[in-house]
Amino acid sequence: DTEVTQTPKHLVMGMTNKKSLKCEQHMGHRAMYWYKQKAKKPPELMFVYSYEKLSINESVPSRFSPECPNSSLLNLHLHALQPEDSALYLCASSPGLARSSYNEQFFGPGTRLTVL
Amino acid sequence: KNEVEQSPQNLTAQEGEFITINCSYSVGISALHWLQQHPGGGIVSLFMLSSGKKKHGRLIATINIQEKHSSLHITASHPRDSAVYICAVAGGTSYGKLTFGQGTILTVHP
Repeated sequence: DTEVTQTPKHLVMGMTNKKSLKCEQHMGHRAMYWYKQKAKKPPELMFVYSYEKLSINESVPSRFSPECPNSSLLNLHLHALQPEDSALYLCASSPGLARSSYNEQFFGPGTRLTVL
Repeated sequence: KNEVEQSPQNLTAQEGEFITINCSYSVGISALHWLQQHPGGGIVSLFMLSSGKKKHGRLIATINIQEKHSSLHITASHPRDSAVYICAVAGGTSYGKLTFGQGTILTVHP
């Protein structure tokens, strides 16, 4: 299994809703990432988990709450989002965080989020 | 000036043409990635390079570490190659953070 899966593919939510995005990989990778991508822009890193521990938080607002329950699963909990948070949310994984050949990131198909 | 610059920003080609997309970077890197993204879709990793050249099917990627430059070539282009091609570099840090270029929008007409 060489893919990263993400659910749901599309999500529409109101500003008062609580929802979660899910990402899963079964490649034995120990690093997982959340990215946010606005239209016609490159992805922006949000969070990095390494060995199920949060390694990087790129100053993301607290209305986004990541969780890594185990080495295969990464969640992003959403609460009180704003319309400007509408974007494609991409998950990625890599074997580790080390340099060079361990850095290759495999991306999921993304969740298209619309906040009304 | 961005740390990763791609050119051209937009590229239109006829089916069958040879295509080159360039990427220049200004920071020290441990690896360079070429990624493909179809409209509205997720990202596919095409290549990861730290030196030399890699080939996969009709795609070839090269990197010159001394000149801080990489190229992605597509031979015998096809309309299904139409996508955004993104260059991203992994720096010398330990956490594998990628710095992305702005992307090149490729359209191949039949």
